[in-house]
Amino acid sequence: AQKITQTQPGMFVQEKEAVTLDCTYDTSDPSYGLFWYKQPSSGEMIFLIYQGSYDQQNATEGRYSLNFQKARKSANLVISASQLGDSAMYFCAMRERVTGGGNKLTFGTGTQLKVEL
Amino acid sequence: EPEVTQTPSHQVTQMGQEVILRCVPISNHLYFYWYRQILGQKVEFLVSFYNNEISEKSEIFDDQFSVERPDGSNFTLKIRSTKLEDSAMYFCASSEARGSGANVLTFGAGSRLTVL
Repeated sequence: AQKITQTQPGMFVQEKEAVTLDCTYDTSDPSYGLFWYKQPSSGEMIFLIYQGSYDQQNATEGRYSLNFQKARKSANLVISASQLGDSAMYFCAMRERVTGGGNKLTFGTGTQLKVEL
Repeated sequence: EPEVTQTPSHQVTQMGQEVILRCVPISNHLYFYWYRQILGQKVEFLVSFYNNEISEKSEIFDDQFSVERPDGSNFTLKIRSTKLEDSAMYFCASSEARGSGANVLTFGAGSRLTVL
């Protein structure tokens, strides 16, 4: 069975600083994908970044980058130049293939990030 | 940017009542999903749907739950007889069938269900 672990229930960061949100995973499937989603207080789930298990390079999307260390089974999210609007809950998730196609995501428990002035 | 839309945004119902949550996935997506998030907890997979049938469901998705694609655009989740523990945010999601986009699930804004 797949497992996602986020060990930081809450994090604080100063505006304009970088912050790393930790995520470790466990799976026996050689093909998998890792996601980060942002959930602001309004509740919606916003896709941030995706990393495939066979991708050679770490994924980047604007101020977001994913520090993928396959041997250590970690997929940490790095947010550079934090902004007040980054304050939200952040979920790490892992994709597993569904019989018949599609994807099923297993989510971690989330990290609540607060950006301070 | 294309988005997944969900209605209603919030529904309050009495225990034992039937509830239908509606979703309009992104038009060229072929895989559809429902997830739920009980307040303060992590997001949990309920069901995936492709080619007009369920492709996988979780233990949570028991006989009280059903999904349907009644027409070419809507995707619904029905809870036949709601229980207090069904109170949660329900997220609809969709993804493409092929290519790099097939890996990414786009979520709707959620429907908050409160069972009294």
